[in-house]
Amino acid sequence: DGGITQSPKYLFRKEGQNVTLSCEQNLNHDAMYWYRQDPGQGLRLIYYSQIVNDFQKGDIAEGYSVSREKKESFPLTVTSAQKNPTAFYLCASSSWTSGRAFGETQYFGPGTRLLVL
Amino acid sequence: SQQGEEDPQALSIQEGENATMNCSYKTSINNLQWYRQNSGRGLVHLILIRSNEREKHSGRLRVTLDTSKKSSSLLITASRAADTASYFCATVARSGNTGKLIFGQGTTLQVKP
Repeated sequence: DGGITQSPKYLFRKEGQNVTLSCEQNLNHDAMYWYRQDPGQGLRLIYYSQIVNDFQKGDIAEGYSVSREKKESFPLTVTSAQKNPTAFYLCASSSWTSGRAFGETQYFGPGTRLLVL
Repeated sequence: SQQGEEDPQALSIQEGENATMNCSYKTSINNLQWYRQNSGRGLVHLILIRSNEREKHSGRLRVTLDTSKKSSSLLITASRAADTASYFCATVARSGNTGKLIFGQGTTLQVKP
């Protein structure tokens, strides 16, 4: 089955701890994204990547870091610098059509809910 | 600030009725997309409408786009209990050349059996 997976489903973070959220896709998509969703809110873009070994900050990148070493994988690290990390994190991917990668349909994973202990 | 603003924030209807959700945005767009999110889940793409299109259909879904008013509407006809979810519009701005999706805050739809 083709799709996008995220793990874990729930993640608990202790004060001062860095945690990493996994996102994997087998859709052969070039572009991948991380969003944060707070209760009753829409999605806000944290980071995005158009190609391997390259990524760009979104609207709320502070306190987060990413890597894109493989086309299939785009892990997100929530660092201790992120003072309000409790949220629902969604990963998405889309295919690349020259100059229109972000303008096309995005496919979302099931999400990871991060809670602070 | 977010590009898309949706109205109403919440909508409750009986099964079989039609549901209409509206989305307004601020700047010129390349396209506008509608997504559905079931509680605690990821988003599912419903429809993409480009700036040069005025109406699009997909099954029981009908989307209209009025670029002069910077607004879009999503109509779900003959609603079912399974349509209960949050619905988000997302826009791709024409300027800036980033093509990033900007999401509205969503409309929560409850369809009562």
